[in-house]
This record gives sequence, C-alpha cells and structure tokens, in this order.
Amino acid sequence: NAGVTQTPKFQVLKTGQSMTLQCAQDMNHEYMSWYRQDPGMGLRLIHYSVGAGITDQGEVPNGYNVSRSTTEDFPLRLLSAAPSQTSVYFCASSYLQGAVEGYTFGSGTRLTVV
Amino acid sequence: AQSVSQHNHHVILSEAASLELGCNYSYGGTVNLFWYVQYPGQHLQLLLKYFSGDPLVKGIKGFEAEFIKSKFSFNLRKPSVQWSDTAEYFCAVIPWNNAGNMLTFGGGTRLMVKP
Repeated sequence: NAGVTQTPKFQVLKTGQSMTLQCAQDMNHEYMSWYRQDPGMGLRLIHYSVGAGITDQGEVPNGYNVSRSTTEDFPLRLLSAAPSQTSVYFCASSYLQGAVEGYTFGSGTRLTVV
Repeated sequence: AQSVSQHNHHVILSEAASLELGCNYSYGGTVNLFWYVQYPGQHLQLLLKYFSGDPLVKGIKGFEAEFIKSKFSFNLRKPSVQWSDTAEYFCAVIPWNNAGNMLTFGGGTRLMVKP
C-alpha cells in the first residue's frame, strides 16, 4: 500500500547511544518532515526537506540530524540520545510544502531513552 | 511566532452528546486550516481541511468545522458523538508567508466518549 513507512515502531536506547529512525514514502512526494509528539504539546517540527539534497531546521532541531539523498527516504539521526528525547516520532510527507491536501503521516516510532 | 491553541485538553462525553472543540491561531494573514485525528495506537489522519471558499467545511465521519476569520478560530463540531470517536484531535495551521509555510499543530484535545 502506498504511504509513509517508519521503522522501527519501538526502540529503547541508553543515554549517549546513537540511532537512526527510518522514513520512506512511495508517493513521489517532494516534501518530507519529522515531528515529535509529547503530551500536551501537540506535534513539533524537528527537521524538514523540500526535495532531495535540501534540508532545513524546524522548531526543535537540537540533537537531531537529517539528510535527504533520495526523494523516497528521509532518515532522522540521534547523535547522542538524551532522556529529553523520549517521545513519539512521526514522519510526514506531501507533494509540496504547505499542500492544501494536508500531509500523510507514518505510524510513528515510540522512543524511550533511559 | 505562529501558534495554535486548543482550549480543552481533555473532554469526556456520553454517546449522542454534541461535540465542539475549540481552536484559535495567532497568524493574521492567509491560512490553511486542518483537523487531524489520532485513534489510540494509530497515526494521524486528516479529518477535514479549509483553504478557501465556504467557511463551513465538512469532513469524514460526520465532523464539520467553521472558519471564523474575525475570531481567528476553526472549531470542530459533531452533532452526535459515538464511542468510536474516542481519540485525540489536533488542530493545525499553515500560514502563507515567507517563513516556509510550515504546518503548526495545537497541543491536542483528548476526547473520551462513554458508551
């Protein structure tokens, strides 16, 4: 089925470890983004990309890196995990930034940092 | 900075009760407005959207929302809720400006419908 695929669904990390959250879409969307969801704070934008080779920071980028080598993939890297990064992470895509159709979201990755 | 406020963090209703969830935004220019729903354990799904035309928009599952530009509001309504409407609801805004047209979310409202 077409859509946004995120892996893994669950992950537990120790403080200081690094990892990559994967996101792939098969809809040929130019725009991809990463959000984190925390109770009472809604979803906050971490990083986004308007096309292959182009990335930019969102509202809460510290502690995260991204790259966009292909249209399909937009991985999110945690360089040195901290307990404050415990959250649910969602990847979203659309055919362009600000698309009136709204964004398509992945099923999320629940990350716990101990 | 652009912000989106959802006034109620938790709402508990009985089946067949009417629902209205508030949403206000702070941007004064042209906006696109959305309501997303997240059912327990699932990802966000688009419920309805507004970008132009009739300020009363109808979405899936009997939901509707009204854009009142003078009040900077986009409240979500449903005349009669069902147990299956138990979910978290997010209002979101895209302001059309030079700052990247970013989708900004409110803090969410958790709705529990008692059977």
